Amino acid sequence: KQEVTQIPAALSVPEGENLVLNCSFTDSAIYNLQWFRQDPGKGLTSLLLIQSSQREQTSGRLNASLDKSSGRSTLYIAASQPGDSATYLCAVRRRGSNYKLTFGKGTLLTVNP
Amino acid sequence: EADIYQTPRYLVIGTGKKITLECSQTMGHDKMYWYQQDPGMELHLIHYSYGVNSTEKGDLSSESTVSRIRTEHFPLTLESARPSHTSQYLCASSGIPGTINGYGYTFGSGTRLTVV
Repeated sequence: KQEVTQIPAALSVPEGENLVLNCSFTDSAIYNLQWFRQDPGKGLTSLLLIQSSQREQTSGRLNASLDKSSGRSTLYIAASQPGDSATYLCAVRRRGSNYKLTFGKGTLLTVNP
Repeated sequence: EADIYQTPRYLVIGTGKKITLECSQTMGHDKMYWYQQDPGMELHLIHYSYGVNSTEKGDLSSESTVSRIRTEHFPLTLESARPSHTSQYLCASSGIPGTINGYGYTFGSGTRLTVV
């Protein structure tokens, strides 16, 4: 059974700081890994999708890396802004899982002005 | 415009009422999903569908039912709402055709259900 763990559970940083969110998964036989952002009471917004054959993906100030063999992914946020405050969720799609995603519990990020 | 829509956005309803949460996507995805999320908790898959007339129960047991009569439409129904059904319900779809997220998931904005 795939388990996804996100560390830390919560993070508070001053504006402008660079930060790293961590995601680990127990079964390395994944098809892809997706990072989402969720604002309070809202749906999920996809940030980055990394296929299993890829090592990283970048979008603006965000960079996600994937080390499938060690079961780890990191989301790097450069020059953080108060608008980045949200919960960040990592989800993996395991091979043979019938397209289902397994989610971590998320990291609650607060960027203070 | 390619997107996934959920209605209503918020719903407060009395115990025993029948409700249907709507989910529609315009991306031509064959796979669709319903997740349930309690406040501050992780998402749990309650239903999924691989295509028209295909529905399966997810990992979390739910008293709700779903149907998939059209590719773009995946409604969720509760025959008799109870306070224990109070939660946020998130619909998603995946698949390449006309997609926003390639092989990844695209989520709707969610329906926050309160049963009183």
